[in-house]
Amino acid sequence: AQRVTQPEKLLSVFKGAPVELKCNYSYSGSPELFWYVQYSRQRLQLLLRHISRESIKGFTADLNKGETSFHLKKPFAQEEDSAMYYCALQGAQKLVFGQGTRLTINP
Amino acid sequence: DTEVTQTPKHLVMGMTNKKSLKCEQHMGHRAMYWYKQKAKKPPELMFVYSYEKLSINESVPSRFSPECPNSSLLNLHLHALQPEDSALYLCASSSPTAGTEAFFGQGTRLTVV
Repeated sequence: AQRVTQPEKLLSVFKGAPVELKCNYSYSGSPELFWYVQYSRQRLQLLLRHISRESIKGFTADLNKGETSFHLKKPFAQEEDSAMYYCALQGAQKLVFGQGTRLTINP
Repeated sequence: DTEVTQTPKHLVMGMTNKKSLKCEQHMGHRAMYWYKQKAKKPPELMFVYSYEKLSINESVPSRFSPECPNSSLLNLHLHALQPEDSALYLCASSSPTAGTEAFFGQGTRLTVV
């Protein structure tokens, strides 16, 4: 079975501070992991995926198979980063989401 | 065109009504999905179509009936719904290849009265 855990429902940090959104997963096969973001009044959209190993809007995420984690990080938060963030795992044709973390960046 | 379009945006229906939700994409994606999202909850997978064939049904009640008439269209037929079925219904599409991005529609906000 596929399972994604995001332990923090809410996360609030000040502008300019570092951000880390945690994600742990459980999957017996080789996982494909993603972070999706939903800004206010916008559709759910891809932020980044582990296979591309890229930085998008200053965010990075590293897949740690030993710890079964895929935490999302940004060194300096910006107000426009305020949004709902979902970690997602794709396996056997299913894309399954974690519970989500609402990130608020305070000015 | 990198959009997934869902119609209608809002739908109110009675428990005895029959209605359909529609989803369209022109990105050539051969995998399409229906998700249900309740308030303050993540999207929950309902159905997956791969190459126009139903490949996954997540034990969804039969009052929800999906249909994929061609590679660009996905429908969700609704009949005899319950008030607890009120939710945001999201459609998504992707290439069937693992690790590719799923594109989501804006959703249909369904209210069952």
